[in-house]
Amino acid sequence: EAGVTQFPSHSVIEKGQTVTLRCDPISGHDNLYWYRRVMGKEIKFLLHFVKESKQDESGMPNNRFLAERTGGTYSTLKVQPAELEDSGVYFCASSQDITGAETQYFGPGTRLLVL
Amino acid sequence: AQSVTQLGSHVSVSEGALVLLRCNYSSSVPPYLFWYVQYPNQGLQLLLKYTSAATLVKGINGFEAEFKKSETSFHLTKPSAHMSDAAEYFCAVTPGYGGATNKLIFGTGTLLAVQP
Repeated sequence: EAGVTQFPSHSVIEKGQTVTLRCDPISGHDNLYWYRRVMGKEIKFLLHFVKESKQDESGMPNNRFLAERTGGTYSTLKVQPAELEDSGVYFCASSQDITGAETQYFGPGTRLLVL
Repeated sequence: AQSVTQLGSHVSVSEGALVLLRCNYSSSVPPYLFWYVQYPNQGLQLLLKYTSAATLVKGINGFEAEFKKSETSFHLTKPSAHMSDAAEYFCAVTPGYGGATNKLIFGTGTLLAVQP
């Protein structure tokens, strides 16, 4: 069974540019989460999809971030325009259900550097 | 609000020595607690989780953790460190009552180095 995949693995862009990150969850997982780790800080929740619906987007930093999940399959996270403070590692995770005790399976992350 | 504190951002042990990584949580409701590990250039992998079934939880690769409600702790241990244990370890919590979302709240991580 394929795990969570993320693309690209690394991205270096200039301030003001646009970047789109992609996440493919484990097949059959309705729940998809985005997290971010800024250097030296903890991993922080960004948002949660259940199928194609945004269940919780309380962690999205501002309106420069737009997340979508077309057809309840893969998800994209667009940053437009990117700022220096957006640099960090963006993780995607998926899970089968929402019990609180379920395991979230993480992808390898996308390392974003904004210059 | 829930939170997690990991004491020690860097821990170094000798190969064969005891590994002890500390995690304290704050939660107004009984929590679910997790330890994840991140090896270099890989994603986070679940080591073990506490879901209220048993206070001593055994995980993969010889790791275990004990939930102590009185101390609000969930420390991770391994009796004998191996070179392959060198990685970053994250403690995380979710509310134990379930609900519409189960976002993980993470500690800042502990980087474990294992010396030969």
